[in-house]
Amino acid sequence: AQTVTQSQPEMSVQEAETVTLSCTYDTSESDYYLFWYKQPPSRQMILVIRQEAYKQQNATENRFSVNFQKAAKSFSLKISDSQLGDAAMYFCAPHGTGKLIFGQGTTLQVKP
Amino acid sequence: GAGVSQSPRYKVAKRGQDVALRCDPISGHVSLFWYQQALGQGPEFLTYFQNEAQLDKSGLPSDRFFAERPEGSVSTLKIQRTQQEDSAVYLCASSLNAYEQFFGPGTRLTVL
Repeated sequence: AQTVTQSQPEMSVQEAETVTLSCTYDTSESDYYLFWYKQPPSRQMILVIRQEAYKQQNATENRFSVNFQKAAKSFSLKISDSQLGDAAMYFCAPHGTGKLIFGQGTTLQVKP
Repeated sequence: GAGVSQSPRYKVAKRGQDVALRCDPISGHVSLFWYQQALGQGPEFLTYFQNEAQLDKSGLPSDRFFAERPEGSVSTLKIQRTQQEDSAVYLCASSLNAYEQFFGPGTRLTVL
């Protein structure tokens, strides 16, 4: 069975600073996708970034980038130049056999 | 274009009542997913459709839960004889390729 571990229940970052959210996972799949989703309080889940496991190059989407270490099954999210609107719960979600497997989430607080 | 919509947004049910939750996916998306999200937790997979075919229902917690998508578009998640432990946010997601999933706003179910 696939498992996902987000070891940081809460993180805090100063506005304009950089923060990294960690995620490790376990899968028996050889080809899969990984996603980071953002869920602001009482609002819907938004896709932040995705990574195809067969690609060695780390995905980047504006201020968001990932550090994907396939052998270590690690998939961290880096947020640069943090903004107040980045405050939310972030979920790491590998995709396997037709469904997303979500971690427990990391709540990110952004301080002005 | 319109995103995934869900109705109702909020539902309060007395224990023992039956409820029906509706999901309208993005037009043209063949894959549709249902997830259950308890407060402060990551979403957990319930079931998955490709067009009208229910390909995976391994996450449905009991035989009180039933989902259908008869015409390959709108889906309904039905919960019979609701219990307090069914209280959660029910998320629907749709996808063109079964990988990248787009979520609706969810239905918050409270069972009294």
